[in-house]
Amino acid sequence: DVKVTQSSRYLVKRTGEKVFLECVQDMDHENMFWYRQDPGLGLRLIYFSYDVKMKEKGDIPEGYSVSREKKERFSLILESASTNQTSMYLCASSVPTSGHHEQYFGPGTRLTVT
Amino acid sequence: SQELEQSPQSLIVQEGKNLTINCTSSKTLYGLYWYKQKYGEGLIFLMMLQKGGEEKSHEKITAKLDEKKQQSSLHITASQPSHAGIYLCGARKGGSYIPTFGRGTSLIVHP
Repeated sequence: DVKVTQSSRYLVKRTGEKVFLECVQDMDHENMFWYRQDPGLGLRLIYFSYDVKMKEKGDIPEGYSVSREKKERFSLILESASTNQTSMYLCASSVPTSGHHEQYFGPGTRLTVT
Repeated sequence: SQELEQSPQSLIVQEGKNLTINCTSSKTLYGLYWYKQKYGEGLIFLMMLQKGGEEKSHEKITAKLDEKKQQSSLHITASQPSHAGIYLCGARKGGSYIPTFGRGTSLIVHP
């Protein structure tokens, strides 16, 4: 079974802090993604990566950066956390197999910025 | 951008009842995914539909993609409390492998 793990289930940070969210997948997937999920807005893509050291902006990259130094690990960084970044953060990975690109999601990190 | 509209936004049913959730796009769908999310957790992949008219089933959940590939429906037969959660549809944008998602349908099943 594919496993995607996230470093924390719950996190509370103060405004202005630098925040690291870690995601690790164990199936050698090329593609990795970071989403945030908010009530009424659904899932929104922040950043994605299709290979080591490669990254692409998603729909809402402002205020975030990412790092992918190893294939299995994709980190999301909030340079200076703000209250409007309080959200559920979901990491996912996928591999293009026979045209299928279904994503495998981690359990999520609920981040609260006070 | 491809917008995916899900309906209804929320659903409360009695155990044993059948229900349907719809996902509609203004553009042709290239790969339609259905996911389930238990409250406060990550998404679990249910199934993927690619061809017009395609229908797939997993236990008591059946999903279908219409011939025009612009609408998909997910049907649950004889619902159980374990079916409760948020159901999301996702679809790839054109030739991209990156899906966009609908806003989800929240399902509560009363025992």
